[in-house]
Amino acid sequence: GQQLNQSPQSMFIQEGEDVSMNCTSSSIFNTWLWYKQDPGEGPVLLIALYKAGELTSNGRLTAQFGITRKDSFLNISASIPSDVGIYFCAGLSWKTSYDKVIFGPGTSLSVIP
Amino acid sequence: SAVISQKPSRDICQRGTSLTIQCQVDSQVTMMFWYRQQPGQSLTLIATANQGSEATYESGFVIDKFPISRPNLTFSTLTVSNMSPEDSSIYLCSVEDHGGYTFGSGTRLTVV
Repeated sequence: GQQLNQSPQSMFIQEGEDVSMNCTSSSIFNTWLWYKQDPGEGPVLLIALYKAGELTSNGRLTAQFGITRKDSFLNISASIPSDVGIYFCAGLSWKTSYDKVIFGPGTSLSVIP
Repeated sequence: SAVISQKPSRDICQRGTSLTIQCQVDSQVTMMFWYRQQPGQSLTLIATANQGSEATYESGFVIDKFPISRPNLTFSTLTVSNMSPEDSSIYLCSVEDHGGYTFGSGTRLTVV
């Protein structure tokens, strides 16, 4: 079945540093979603991408839909302590069922003040 | 965006018993989705619940273990039946919301 890979699995950075994480797959996706999950909470949607090559920003966050449709990246600029959490990429594909969202394994981010 | 309320937020249950989780949305939605998140893991789709029809289950999940109700367009329940410690997880409901998917805060279930 379809599977998403995320890297890095975890990262520890200093406050103020920029962060980059990515999501790859051997399959094509039509929509990419990036979520952040805080402990004890459900995932919260950060950015949604709908077109190959699309670059979208949300405050300090920027995400891109890879031109091959098989990857996406998320950048966080000037990290702050509240950026701590687990970041999940998720994809939707017309090939299977458009309404079925597949999640990556997550990237755990720790920010050192 | 849609607001989702899940109850209970957490519970500790004895093995062999069942727990029903409720999900209430503040707007009418066609489909509601139930996910499981095992400790330290990602989210796995259990089933899709449509109002007026039986839920569609993903591979590895069966109706006898995870019966779902969808009585109207704003509410759904997921029951975890005959629980064992392996069912200890966070269970989340989700709805499509303007091109993305919104999640409830989840139900943290511990089976002892």
